[in-house]
Amino acid sequence: GAVVSQHPSRVICKSGTSVKIECRSLDFQATTMFWYRQFPKQSLMLMATSNEGSKATYEQGVEKDKFLINHASLTLSTLTVTSAHPEDSSFYICSAPGGGVDEQFFGPGTRLTVL
Amino acid sequence: KQEVTQIPAALSVPEGENLVLNCSFTDSAIYNLQWFRQDPGKGLTSLLLIQSSQREQTSGRLNASLDKSSGRSTLYIAASQPGDSATYLCAVSVGSAGNMLTFGGGTRLMVKP
Repeated sequence: GAVVSQHPSRVICKSGTSVKIECRSLDFQATTMFWYRQFPKQSLMLMATSNEGSKATYEQGVEKDKFLINHASLTLSTLTVTSAHPEDSSFYICSAPGGGVDEQFFGPGTRLTVL
Repeated sequence: KQEVTQIPAALSVPEGENLVLNCSFTDSAIYNLQWFRQDPGKGLTSLLLIQSSQREQTSGRLNASLDKSSGRSTLYIAASQPGDSATYLCAVSVGSAGNMLTFGGGTRLMVKP
Protein backbone atom coordinates (compact mmCIF):
# COMPACT_ATOMS: atom_id res chain seq x y z
CA GLY A 1 0.00 0.00 0.00
CA ALA A 2 0.87 3.67 -0.12
CA VAL A 3 3.41 4.93 2.41
CA VAL A 4 3.13 8.08 4.50
CA SER A 5 6.02 9.24 6.66
CA GLN A 6 6.18 11.72 9.51
CA HIS A 7 9.09 13.56 11.02
CA PRO A 8 10.03 13.79 13.78
CA SER A 9 8.65 10.71 15.49
CA ARG A 10 9.13 12.23 18.91
CA VAL A 11 9.81 15.75 20.15
CA ILE A 12 10.19 17.25 23.58
CA CYS A 13 10.16 21.00 23.87
CA LYS A 14 9.84 23.79 26.39
CA SER A 15 6.62 25.69 26.84
CA GLY A 16 6.40 28.65 24.50
CA THR A 17 8.44 27.21 21.66
CA SER A 18 7.12 26.27 18.23
CA VAL A 19 7.32 22.79 16.79
CA LYS A 20 7.07 21.78 13.14
CA ILE A 21 5.86 18.32 12.12
CA GLU A 22 6.23 17.08 8.55
CA CYS A 23 3.98 14.63 6.76
CA ARG A 24 5.11 13.18 3.44
CA SER A 25 3.50 10.87 0.93
CA LEU A 26 6.42 8.81 -0.29
CA ASP A 27 5.18 7.06 -3.41
CA PHE A 28 2.09 8.99 -4.40
CA GLN A 29 0.80 12.51 -4.65
CA ALA A 30 -1.78 13.89 -2.27
CA THR A 31 -3.68 17.08 -2.94
CA THR A 32 -5.36 16.58 0.42
CA MET A 33 -3.91 15.44 3.72
CA PHE A 34 -5.53 15.23 7.11
CA TRP A 35 -4.14 16.01 10.55
CA TYR A 36 -5.44 14.20 13.61
CA ARG A 37 -4.71 14.46 17.31
CA GLN A 38 -4.93 11.60 19.75
CA PHE A 39 -4.82 12.04 23.51
CA PRO A 40 -3.88 9.06 25.71
CA LYS A 41 -6.41 6.24 25.61
CA GLN A 42 -8.66 8.24 23.33
CA SER A 43 -9.46 7.91 19.66
CA LEU A 44 -8.31 10.10 16.81
CA MET A 45 -9.92 13.48 16.40
CA LEU A 46 -9.65 15.34 13.13
CA MET A 47 -7.98 18.72 13.51
CA ALA A 48 -7.80 20.02 9.98
CA THR A 49 -7.76 19.22 6.29
CA SER A 50 -4.63 20.32 4.47
CA ASN A 51 -5.17 21.38 0.87
CA GLU A 52 -2.32 21.73 -1.60
CA GLY A 53 -2.15 25.27 -2.92
CA SER A 54 -4.91 26.67 -0.73
CA LYS A 55 -5.78 27.32 2.90
CA ALA A 56 -6.37 24.49 5.31
CA THR A 57 -9.83 23.78 6.64
CA TYR A 58 -10.01 23.56 10.42
CA GLU A 59 -12.48 21.64 12.53
CA GLN A 60 -14.58 23.45 15.06
CA GLY A 61 -12.64 24.27 18.19
CA VAL A 62 -9.20 24.04 16.58
CA GLU A 63 -7.30 27.34 16.61
CA LYS A 64 -5.92 28.01 13.15
CA ASP A 65 -3.44 30.57 14.47
CA LYS A 66 -2.03 28.04 16.88
CA PHE A 67 -1.88 25.09 14.52
CA LEU A 68 -0.43 26.41 11.27
CA ILE A 69 -0.74 24.13 8.29
CA ASN A 70 1.15 24.49 5.04
CA HIS A 71 0.68 22.14 2.09
CA ALA A 72 3.51 23.37 -0.08
CA SER A 73 3.70 20.50 -2.53
CA LEU A 74 1.79 17.41 -3.60
CA THR A 75 3.84 15.25 -1.26
CA LEU A 76 4.39 17.42 1.80
CA SER A 77 2.19 18.96 4.46
CA THR A 78 3.53 20.57 7.62
CA LEU A 79 1.83 21.25 10.93
CA THR A 80 3.41 23.88 13.15
CA VAL A 81 2.31 24.05 16.77
CA THR A 82 3.04 27.64 17.72
CA SER A 83 3.82 28.69 21.29
CA ALA A 84 3.27 25.17 22.51
CA HIS A 85 1.94 24.57 26.02
CA PRO A 86 1.72 21.39 28.11
CA GLU A 87 -1.92 20.89 27.12
CA ASP A 88 -0.75 20.55 23.49
CA SER A 89 1.15 17.40 24.43
CA SER A 90 -0.41 14.69 22.33
CA PHE A 91 0.11 12.20 19.52
CA TYR A 92 -0.27 13.90 16.14
CA ILE A 93 -0.99 11.72 13.10
CA CYS A 94 -1.40 12.65 9.47
CA SER A 95 -3.11 10.73 6.70
CA ALA A 96 -3.58 10.91 2.98
CA PRO A 97 -5.89 9.13 0.56
CA GLY A 98 -3.74 6.62 -1.32
CA GLY A 99 -3.33 7.33 -4.99
CA GLY A 100 -6.28 6.05 -6.98
CA VAL A 101 -7.92 4.08 -4.19
CA ASP A 102 -10.28 5.04 -1.43
CA GLU A 103 -8.16 4.00 1.50
CA GLN A 104 -6.64 6.45 3.91
CA PHE A 105 -3.00 5.79 4.71
CA PHE A 106 -1.61 7.02 7.98
CA GLY A 107 1.80 8.20 9.03
CA PRO A 108 3.50 6.64 12.06
CA GLY A 109 2.64 9.62 14.23
CA THR A 110 4.59 12.23 16.19
CA ARG A 111 4.63 12.21 19.96
CA LEU A 112 4.82 15.80 21.22
CA THR A 113 5.68 16.47 24.85
CA VAL A 114 5.67 20.07 26.04
CA LEU A 115 7.40 20.64 29.36
CA LYS B 1 -23.15 14.79 12.77
CA GLN B 2 -21.72 11.31 12.30
CA GLU B 3 -20.97 9.43 15.51
CA VAL B 4 -19.14 6.13 15.64
CA THR B 5 -19.29 3.80 18.62
CA GLN B 6 -17.27 0.69 19.29
CA ILE B 7 -18.21 -2.05 21.70
CA PRO B 8 -16.62 -3.41 23.78
CA ALA B 9 -14.08 -0.78 24.79
CA ALA B 10 -11.74 -3.48 26.02
CA LEU B 11 -11.58 -7.22 25.59
CA SER B 12 -9.32 -9.91 27.04
CA VAL B 13 -9.44 -13.44 25.65
CA PRO B 14 -7.29 -16.56 25.79
CA GLU B 15 -5.27 -17.47 22.74
CA GLY B 16 -7.16 -19.43 20.10
CA GLU B 17 -10.58 -17.90 20.64
CA ASN B 18 -12.64 -16.49 17.82
CA LEU B 19 -13.88 -13.01 18.60
CA VAL B 20 -16.09 -10.24 17.25
CA LEU B 21 -15.58 -6.52 17.55
CA ASN B 22 -18.54 -4.24 16.96
CA CYS B 23 -18.82 -0.83 15.36
CA SER B 24 -21.95 1.25 14.89
CA PHE B 25 -22.50 4.59 13.19
CA THR B 26 -25.40 7.00 13.29
CA ASP B 27 -25.50 8.22 9.68
CA SER B 28 -25.88 5.42 7.16
CA ALA B 29 -24.88 7.66 4.24
CA ILE B 30 -21.27 6.53 4.30
CA TYR B 31 -18.84 6.15 1.42
CA ASN B 32 -16.77 3.43 2.99
CA LEU B 33 -15.71 1.97 6.32
CA GLN B 34 -12.20 1.05 7.36
CA TRP B 35 -10.87 -1.08 10.18
CA PHE B 36 -7.45 -0.17 11.56
CA ARG B 37 -5.04 -1.64 14.04
CA GLN B 38 -2.99 0.57 16.34
CA ASP B 39 -0.17 -0.71 18.51
CA PRO B 40 0.74 1.34 21.62
CA GLY B 41 2.48 4.57 20.69
CA LYS B 42 2.33 3.76 17.00
CA GLY B 43 0.42 4.91 13.95
CA LEU B 44 -2.45 3.14 12.26
CA THR B 45 -2.29 0.09 10.04
CA SER B 46 -5.17 -0.38 7.65
CA LEU B 47 -6.69 -3.85 7.97
CA LEU B 48 -9.77 -3.87 5.78
CA LEU B 49 -11.71 -1.39 3.67
CA ILE B 50 -15.37 -2.00 2.86
CA GLN B 51 -17.05 0.13 0.25
CA SER B 52 -20.65 1.15 0.94
CA SER B 53 -21.84 -1.20 -1.82
CA GLN B 54 -20.07 -4.19 -0.28
CA ARG B 55 -21.20 -6.41 2.55
CA GLU B 56 -17.92 -7.93 3.65
CA GLN B 57 -14.19 -8.15 3.12
CA THR B 58 -11.75 -10.84 4.17
CA SER B 59 -8.02 -10.85 4.75
CA GLY B 60 -6.44 -13.92 6.30
CA ARG B 61 -7.96 -14.51 9.72
CA LEU B 62 -9.90 -11.26 9.55
CA ASN B 63 -13.39 -10.79 8.20
CA ALA B 64 -15.27 -7.51 8.28
CA SER B 65 -18.95 -7.18 7.51
CA LEU B 66 -21.01 -4.09 6.81
CA ASP B 67 -24.74 -3.53 7.19
CA LYS B 68 -25.09 0.03 6.06
CA SER B 69 -28.85 0.26 6.53
CA SER B 70 -28.59 -0.60 10.20
CA GLY B 71 -25.36 1.34 10.70
CA ARG B 72 -23.28 -1.59 11.85
CA SER B 73 -20.01 -3.30 11.08
CA THR B 74 -18.28 -6.20 12.74
CA LEU B 75 -14.68 -7.35 12.66
CA TYR B 76 -14.30 -11.08 13.15
CA ILE B 77 -10.90 -12.41 14.20
CA ALA B 78 -10.46 -16.15 13.93
CA ALA B 79 -8.10 -18.19 16.07
CA SER B 80 -6.75 -15.19 17.95
CA GLN B 81 -3.03 -14.97 18.73
CA PRO B 82 -1.05 -12.91 21.28
CA GLY B 83 0.29 -10.90 18.35
CA ASP B 84 -3.25 -9.70 17.68
CA SER B 85 -3.13 -7.68 20.91
CA ALA B 86 -3.66 -4.04 19.92
CA THR B 87 -6.34 -1.39 19.70
CA TYR B 88 -8.74 -1.84 16.82
CA LEU B 89 -10.38 1.26 15.37
CA CYS B 90 -13.20 1.55 12.91
CA ALA B 91 -13.74 4.70 10.89
CA VAL B 92 -16.32 5.82 8.35
CA SER B 93 -15.88 8.13 5.42
CA VAL B 94 -18.70 10.34 4.25
CA GLY B 95 -18.82 11.79 0.76
CA SER B 96 -16.31 11.33 -2.02
CA ALA B 97 -12.96 9.61 -1.68
CA GLY B 98 -10.51 11.71 0.19
CA ASN B 99 -12.94 12.98 2.78
CA MET B 100 -11.89 12.79 6.35
CA LEU B 101 -12.70 9.85 8.56
CA THR B 102 -14.77 9.78 11.73
CA PHE B 103 -13.32 7.31 14.21
CA GLY B 104 -14.84 5.19 16.90
CA GLY B 105 -13.30 5.06 20.35
CA GLY B 106 -11.57 1.78 19.64
CA THR B 107 -11.51 -1.66 21.23
CA ARG B 108 -8.39 -2.56 23.20
CA LEU B 109 -7.77 -6.26 22.66
CA MET B 110 -5.54 -8.41 24.81
CA VAL B 111 -4.95 -12.01 23.73
CA LYS B 112 -3.38 -14.01 26.52
CA PRO B 113 -1.01 -16.91 25.76
